[in-house]
Amino acid sequence: GAGVSQSPSNKVTEKGKDVELRCDPISGHTALYWYRQSLGQGLEFLIYFQGNSAPDKSGLPSDRFSAERTGGSVSTLTIQRTQQEDSAVYLCASSPPGLRSGNTIYFGEGSWLTVV
Amino acid sequence: AQTVTQSQPEMSVQEAETVTLSCTYDTSESDYYLFWYKQPPSRQMILVIRQEAYKQQNATENRFSVNFQKAAKSFSLKISDSQLGDAAMYFCAYRSARNTDKLIFGTGTRLQVFP
Repeated sequence: GAGVSQSPSNKVTEKGKDVELRCDPISGHTALYWYRQSLGQGLEFLIYFQGNSAPDKSGLPSDRFSAERTGGSVSTLTIQRTQQEDSAVYLCASSPPGLRSGNTIYFGEGSWLTVV
Repeated sequence: AQTVTQSQPEMSVQEAETVTLSCTYDTSESDYYLFWYKQPPSRQMILVIRQEAYKQQNATENRFSVNFQKAAKSFSLKISDSQLGDAAMYFCAYRSARNTDKLIFGTGTRLQVFP
């Protein structure tokens, strides 16, 4: 597609339920990132993929959070047993391959998760 | 670890005037990139401008320019001839040049533009 696509755009879920958020990066982009943005806050890094591997998972807040990427393309962020503090916008981003990191990172419009 | 600080939670400017948003960062690296992203209410993060640390010349993109002071670790954004459409959250971000590393963001500055 033309840009980074995320689904669902909005999700309301009950506390304790599991949710899956999907990200379809720009075709050909090897790097994929997940960020979390709580209301009125900055962006908190969650996880980074290079191809299908995740060299940096340092931002995942707890073992309830996991992510995978298959075929070097689509990624899924899964939150198990959701809590109210998980309510946030989850942003996905991708960037093309390159020897240096100056390539622009392109963001999707995010998935707004509300846990009630 | 690298950090990015934006000390102005909110700024306002009159249409057609100029406004400067501040950003400082902390790093022990000498090679890196700096970015300003804009986030309107639609939530879409849009790249405004970027600066390579090894370049002394300040980056410019139309009405947007930066004042990059490497020794002071300062990276401010100047918006000239402000327009109503410039109203948004603005985030400063740092990225190591070592590899395709993550962006590290500041907490953002909300810019209001008054007619």
